[in-house]
This record gives sequence, C-alpha cells and structure tokens, in this order.
Amino acid sequence: GQQVMQIPQYQHVQEGEDFTTYCNSSTTLSNIQWYKQRPGGHPVFLIQLVKSGEVKKQKRLTFQFGEAKKNSSLHITATQTTDVGTYFCAGLGNSGYALNFGKGTSLLVTP
Amino acid sequence: AAGVIQSPRHLIKEKRETATLKCYPIPRHDTVYWYQQGPGQDPQFLISFYEKMQSDKGSIPDRFSAQQFSDYHSELNMSSLELGDSALYFCASSSPGYEQYFGPGTRLTVT
Repeated sequence: GQQVMQIPQYQHVQEGEDFTTYCNSSTTLSNIQWYKQRPGGHPVFLIQLVKSGEVKKQKRLTFQFGEAKKNSSLHITATQTTDVGTYFCAGLGNSGYALNFGKGTSLLVTP
Repeated sequence: AAGVIQSPRHLIKEKRETATLKCYPIPRHDTVYWYQQGPGQDPQFLISFYEKMQSDKGSIPDRFSAQQFSDYHSELNMSSLELGDSALYFCASSSPGYEQYFGPGTRLTVT
C-alpha cells in the first residue's frame, strides 16, 4: 500500500531561521495535502497541491509538489514562535477518501 | 463558521468496557472519517462514510464498528476495550477528495 515518508522527525530552530520538511511517497499521488497540528490541538488543513511541479505560497509558507508527484516540501521563511507545531503531509489513498499521513515533523521555535 | 463537533471530549473507561464516540460533521459535508492518534504518532485512518455508506476501511479493529446516520452524524462504537486503545480519536468531515476538517477529538483513556 501507499506509504508516505516524512523527514525530519524533529526540528529545533531559532526564531527567524528557515525551516523545511520533506515528504516522499512510494507511489504517485493524485494530490497531496498539508496539515498543521498545534500541541494539544487537532490537525488543521493548510493547503492542497494537485498539479505536477505546483508551487503555492501562503505568506511565509511555500509548498511544492514534485514533477513526478511523488514528493513534496513545505518551507517556512523566518520562523516565528507561532509556527510551533507538527506539520503533516498526507496523500489520498487509492479509494480517494482516506488520508495517509506522513509521520510528521515537529517544529520547535525558540525566541 | 460551524466546525466538526465531537462528544465526549474526554472519556475514561476500564478494560473490557464499551465506548461510543459521536461526531457531527460540518453542514453539507457528506463524508465523515475517523482517525486514531496515539501519543507522538500521526493520525491513523480507521474508517470513512460517504452518504451514509462505508466508503473506505483502514486499520479499524474488529472490536470497533461505526455508522453514519440519516442526519449525517456518525458514531464509533468500541467494545472489549484494551489498554492500547487509549488515544485521541478524531473525526473529520469533507466533500470527497477535498480538504478534511478535523474535530477537536475525543481523548479516550482505558485503565
């Protein structure tokens, strides 16, 4: 079955530094979604990428979908303490319903 | 805006007891998903329903069952509870293939 790998597992940065998390799938993805989960909270949808090579930006966040639609990345420029949380990538399963989550990257930002 | 509602928010049960978790999706969302998240883990897909029919099945134990009712709310029934069932249980809703909106979760503790 489809497996979604995500690295790194943890990242600790100083406020103002950049951060990147990478996601790789064993199979071609129809689309990929990114979620953020704050400590003690629930996953919150950030973005969905559908097209090969797609790049989307949300303020300081840049999302990329690989040309082969097997990998994706999330880059945060100049991190802030409000960026703390776990970032998950997720691919749709074969049925088109369930999300297969990566293991997530936990980001800690110290002032 | 209305969000996904889950009840109860916290539940403590003893081994071998049963538990019922409820989920009320966002209005006009026709798909409901259930996920289980252990401490420090990614959400694991359990089961989903589209228009009151089971649409996909993940790693849901045979001791668990779920259904979606005519008003689109869903219930996850868990029997013969085991210590390992202690986790956060999230319900999410969406239109099929679109981003999923997660509820606040039910924290189940089995003692």
